[in-house]
Amino acid sequence: GAGVSQSPSNKVTEKGKDVELRCDPISGHTALYWYRQSLGQGLEFLIYFQGNSAPDKSGLPSDRFSAERTGGSVSTLTIQRTQQEDSAVYLCASSQGQGIYNEQFFGPGTRLTVL
Amino acid sequence: AQKITQTQPGMFVQEKEAVTLDCTYDTSDPSYGLFWYKQPSSGEMIFLIYQGSYDQQNATEGRYSLNFQKARKSANLVISASQLGDSAMYFCAMRETNFGNEKLTFGTGTRLTIIP
Repeated sequence: GAGVSQSPSNKVTEKGKDVELRCDPISGHTALYWYRQSLGQGLEFLIYFQGNSAPDKSGLPSDRFSAERTGGSVSTLTIQRTQQEDSAVYLCASSQGQGIYNEQFFGPGTRLTVL
Repeated sequence: AQKITQTQPGMFVQEKEAVTLDCTYDTSDPSYGLFWYKQPSSGEMIFLIYQGSYDQQNATEGRYSLNFQKARKSANLVISASQLGDSAMYFCAMRETNFGNEKLTFGTGTRLTIIP
């Protein structure tokens, strides 16, 4: 497929466990973003990758959250020692580059439930 | 202050009528972009329309148009001839030009329900 893909689509975990969420951006897109959407809320920015530049981590809510992007393509968002408040849909998006107008294409999201 | 404000948590509209979804924004950046996204119950975010702060004309995409009033800092989405498939959450978002600050800032959304 040509779109952004994310896996898993659903993840249920126990409080205190670590989880990894994966994002495959659109081929050729240099920019990749992670957002979080809590129930009934808008999207909250987490982190942004652009090419080989250092990521913008300004939106990460705590040091339990980290993300990496290997080879400028696939990205993994890791949440350590999950808490119930981490339950949300995690959305990944990619775009062709920087600038005001660079439409972000979103993946289907990973729904994370922390019991 | 909220960067993006959507004051209508929910709206009900009769099929085939036009609907306006409100969005106001706050920025001191002279150059910015405004986006509208649709999120159906399936969860995916679908890009609808874009307006640049320097664009002279209001953006249009098919049945979607953006009523951009720069002085009022509003960017309302207008959907003409609404259809049942328009029922969804709608989010207004803004990107400012500060390179390195590439995130979209989203409003809290409006849930639109089209009534047959």
